[in-house]
Amino acid sequence: DVKVTQSSRYLVKRTGEKVFLECVQDMDHENMFWYRQDPGLGLRLIYFSYDVKMKEKGDIPEGYSVSREKKERFSLILESASTNQTSMYLCASRITGTGVGYTFGSGTRLTVV
Amino acid sequence: GEDVEQSLFLSVREGDSSVINCTYTDSSSTYLYWYKQEPGAGLQLLTYIFSNMDMKQDQRLTVLLNKKDKHLSLRIADTQTGDSAIYFCAESMGTGRRALTFGSGTRLQVQP
Repeated sequence: DVKVTQSSRYLVKRTGEKVFLECVQDMDHENMFWYRQDPGLGLRLIYFSYDVKMKEKGDIPEGYSVSREKKERFSLILESASTNQTSMYLCASRITGTGVGYTFGSGTRLTVV
Repeated sequence: GEDVEQSLFLSVREGDSSVINCTYTDSSSTYLYWYKQEPGAGLQLLTYIFSNMDMKQDQRLTVLLNKKDKHLSLRIADTQTGDSAIYFCAESMGTGRRALTFGSGTRLQVQP
């Protein structure tokens, strides 16, 4: 089975800190995604990457950036964390060319104080 | 842009059928999905349906798609307490680079 691993389950950071959320997948998937999940809003797409060093903005990219230097790793960066970025962050991956086959990580619950 | 809508909450008794509804706006959606999220966990794909299908059945799960009304439903027969979770409807345009667009999620509470 494909595994998508998010390095931290829970994080607490201070306002203004630079925060890195890491996601690693082990099945050579080209596409990787970062979503944030908030109650009543579902999952909203922040950024996605369709290959190494490629990235595209999703629906809510403001305040975030991403890095994809290696195929297996997709990092989400909060340049200067703010309290409104307190949320659950979910990473996913899939192979290009399939409509299904999205695999999600377990999520990182980030609290910014 | 695309929009996917769901009601936020559904409560049923154990053994009854549950029906979770979803509407979407993008008529070019190719795949429609149902995901389940249990407390503290990531998303688990329950089932999906291609846009050229009307119905799909998988054990206790039945998915109905009305393309004319852009309405998708998930029926869970003989609902169990273990079915208590948040259920997300999602759509995508298929094999391209497009990401999934999710609804807000429906929290299903199963009462014993």
